[in-house]
Amino acid sequence: GESVGLHLPTLSVQEGDNSIINCAYSNSASDYFIWYKQESGKGPQFIIDIRSNMDKRQGQRVTVLLNKTVKHLSLQIAATQPGDSAVYFCAENIHPGGSYIPTFGRGTSLIVHP
Amino acid sequence: DGGITQSPKYLFRKEGQNVTLSCEQNLNHDAMYWYRQDPGQGLRLIYYSQIVNDFQKGDIAEGYSVSREKKESFPLTVTSAQKNPTAFYLCASSIDTTSRGYNEQFFGPGTRLTVL
Repeated sequence: GESVGLHLPTLSVQEGDNSIINCAYSNSASDYFIWYKQESGKGPQFIIDIRSNMDKRQGQRVTVLLNKTVKHLSLQIAATQPGDSAVYFCAENIHPGGSYIPTFGRGTSLIVHP
Repeated sequence: DGGITQSPKYLFRKEGQNVTLSCEQNLNHDAMYWYRQDPGQGLRLIYYSQIVNDFQKGDIAEGYSVSREKKESFPLTVTSAQKNPTAFYLCASSIDTTSRGYNEQFFGPGTRLTVL
């Protein structure tokens, strides 16, 4: 899984399997989190977000879980497809001086084998 | 067709030269950002702007400069003072930086800068 400050990890899965990508965030005051997907040579794209007053949020084939006690976030992708192969980033929103500025982890590379 | 554009996609510069990367958005967003991404790394914030004619330094502003004369434009200049400028540069925008729950960032396609 991913953790801010560590090297880029890689997760390899078979097509059709479920994928779980993990993220440990650092700031206990962060109250808004976003998962982004970045395909090779492109800019990141929003996948799903979650606020700190929630433990779970579901989208289409994706679920984000938030555990504030241990400052951990996960992204679950159901029935992973080759098109899901990308680098996935979590971002925590901290707020210096009242502005919400995202801080990104280093990402997890997801490789889906057909 | 709303979005955020960056140009050029690939840029080469000689050591010692300044170069300016373009970023334009037609999403009517107040906030714009510049990030740098190195291989196998996350995104590091260079500068951000919350409103026209205002901008703030991010974590790695040294060797970079920006301007925000128009709401839709936020060009980044990589100066000769930047020691290691070869990287992938990403521009982003968001509605603003103060509304909780509305801080989703929309990213451009990026500019890959190579210093020869």
